[in-house]
Amino acid sequence: DAKTTQPPSMDCAEGRAANLPCNHSTISGNEYVYWYRQIHSQGPQYIIHGLKNNETNEMASLIITEDRKSSTLILPHATLRDTAVYYCIVLTGGGNKLTFGTGTQLKVEL
Amino acid sequence: NAGVTQTPKFRILKIGQSMTLQCAQDMNHNYMYWYRQDPGMGLKLIYYSVGAGITDKGEVPNGYNVSRSTTEDFPLRLELAAPSQTSVYFCASTDRDRGHTGELFFGEGSRLTVL
Repeated sequence: DAKTTQPPSMDCAEGRAANLPCNHSTISGNEYVYWYRQIHSQGPQYIIHGLKNNETNEMASLIITEDRKSSTLILPHATLRDTAVYYCIVLTGGGNKLTFGTGTQLKVEL
Repeated sequence: NAGVTQTPKFRILKIGQSMTLQCAQDMNHNYMYWYRQDPGMGLKLIYYSVGAGITDKGEVPNGYNVSRSTTEDFPLRLELAAPSQTSVYFCASTDRDRGHTGELFFGEGSRLTVL
């Protein structure tokens, strides 16, 4: 099963870009990378996902390396409301067993 | 659409009691999941289901049971509640088979305390 490794915490100044890394060196060719975030005790919120190519939506950008062994989530202009735990996950066990790692606690400060 | 609905939102149990956490989704998703989250920790997968009549164990299934008799409902049963099961429980659903994004839709969570 592909597993992910993320730094436990990161800080970012408000208005600056937040770059959150994720290693998934055992990812299989047909497995997607998904990013979620969790604010306080709410249910996790979907951010973005990708397979090979870089992706962008209204919330963030996802950069996946050519060998697909790592990815970076970019929040282009972080705000205080982006303070949350960010989870990088990959589909495991044939694509059904969605497991979360420990995530990165992002703290956006003034 | 209501999305994913979990009940109850809060519950206090005594050690040894049993209860069922309810989860229902109205999006016709075939994939459903139960997670638990202990204070300050990440989400752990308890059980999941890829369709009615099919369930499988996740990372931490001990002490729990599930059933999936319909596409809409995925109840989680706690037998003989223990203090270690004090946690917030999240239900989620998705549907990749129909070309959807695979985005997980989460319920608001059920906070369970076992005393």
